[in-house]
Amino acid sequence: GENVEQHPSTLSVQEGDSAVIKCTYSDSASNYFPWYKQELGKRPQLIIDIRSNVGEKKDQRIAVTLNKTAKHFSLHITETQPEDSAVYFCAASISGNTPLVFGKGTRLSVIA
Amino acid sequence: NAGVTQTPKFQVLKTGQSMTLQCAQDMNHNSMYWYRQDPGMGLRLIYYSASEGTTDKGEVPNGYNVSRLNKREFSLRLESAAPSQTSVYFCASSEAGANTAEKLFFGSGTQLSVL
Repeated sequence: GENVEQHPSTLSVQEGDSAVIKCTYSDSASNYFPWYKQELGKRPQLIIDIRSNVGEKKDQRIAVTLNKTAKHFSLHITETQPEDSAVYFCAASISGNTPLVFGKGTRLSVIA
Repeated sequence: NAGVTQTPKFQVLKTGQSMTLQCAQDMNHNSMYWYRQDPGMGLRLIYYSASEGTTDKGEVPNGYNVSRLNKREFSLRLESAAPSQTSVYFCASSEAGANTAEKLFFGSGTQLSVL
């Protein structure tokens, strides 16, 4: 089955700096890669996703890149703000076929 | 439109006791899921139901049973609770299907402690 590795497990950045979180997946058939944000004590919520037919997707300060050949994808957050502090999870699946498999999460702290 | 509602929010059990976690969604989604979240372990799938009338094991099904009661409701049962089942449990739903977005909508979680 699918295995998703996520790094780093913790990340601290200064406010205004960029943050990058990386994930690798094992199943070359996976074609859907979402990112979820979980604030302290809250439920995970989808922030951005990408499908295997595109290499990059942006939404304001957030972007995700995908390298199918290397089987890795990354989350990029620019101009970080204190409200970006949260745990971020990457995930992978074969869309419409298999449920999401999540990475172990990255705790991002943005220091003001 | 409440989204995904799960109960209870908190529960303390003694080893060997049983309980059922309830989950309901009002978005007419076909698929429903139960995940557990442990520190440093991410979200691990316990069971899922791709459609009404079907259930399948996920990554960590041992010690759990599920029932897809109807399209709206998906319950998780612990028959004989163990300390290793201390965790935060999340129910989720999605419109998963071929060539459709798989956005998961999560419930607010159940914090379960087994003593």
